[in-house]
Amino acid sequence: EPEVTQTPSHQVTQMGQEVILRCVPISNHLYFYWYRQILGQKVEFLVSFYNNEISEKSEIFDDQFSVERPDGSNFTLKIRSTKLEDSAMYFCASSTLGGDPTDTQYFGPGTRLTVL
Amino acid sequence: LAKTTQPISMDSYEGQEVNITCSHNNIATNDYITWYQQFPSQGPRFIIQGYKTKVTNEVASLFIPADRKSSTLSLPRVSLSDTAVYYCLVGGGVYNQGGKLIFGQGTELSVKP
Repeated sequence: EPEVTQTPSHQVTQMGQEVILRCVPISNHLYFYWYRQILGQKVEFLVSFYNNEISEKSEIFDDQFSVERPDGSNFTLKIRSTKLEDSAMYFCASSTLGGDPTDTQYFGPGTRLTVL
Repeated sequence: LAKTTQPISMDSYEGQEVNITCSHNNIATNDYITWYQQFPSQGPRFIIQGYKTKVTNEVASLFIPADRKSSTLSLPRVSLSDTAVYYCLVGGGVYNQGGKLIFGQGTELSVKP
């Protein structure tokens, strides 16, 4: 069964450093998403991406965040200057139908980001 | 997107049937009901989706009454590996909202031997 993959599984960085989290969505999917989950809290939507542009973003997704699909397979989330409160699990997801009511999103295993 | 209410936690024993009910009183006409499962330190995983009546797949059943103001996820004969958080999501009634999923706190199911 095809799956979403994410690298690295765990990233430790110093406050103020830039990090890039990488995702390889399922190959025939066209819609891509990033979510995050702070330890012990609920999963929060960050951004959705389709046709090489952002479809929607949440309040969390400020100017420090950016997303990119640099080639036909990768989808990345960049945090320019990390803060302590960015420590969380970051999940990438992909789907075929976007905002269709019957859409199913497939999530990756996550990247645990620890900011020191 | 419709607000959902579900129990914060539930306990069960291996081999039992578990029913988790979700309330969504302001569900819209075009909204679908979707359940996701999340194991610790893993991403959410789609379990089942329905619009009305009953839906069954190899993992679970979803019961939706005629007024659609609630839904019940039924897990038959649970095992220890079913210990997870279960999320009820309602939405998708407007096409091309960007597709974001709004997760609540979910129901933490603990299955004991």
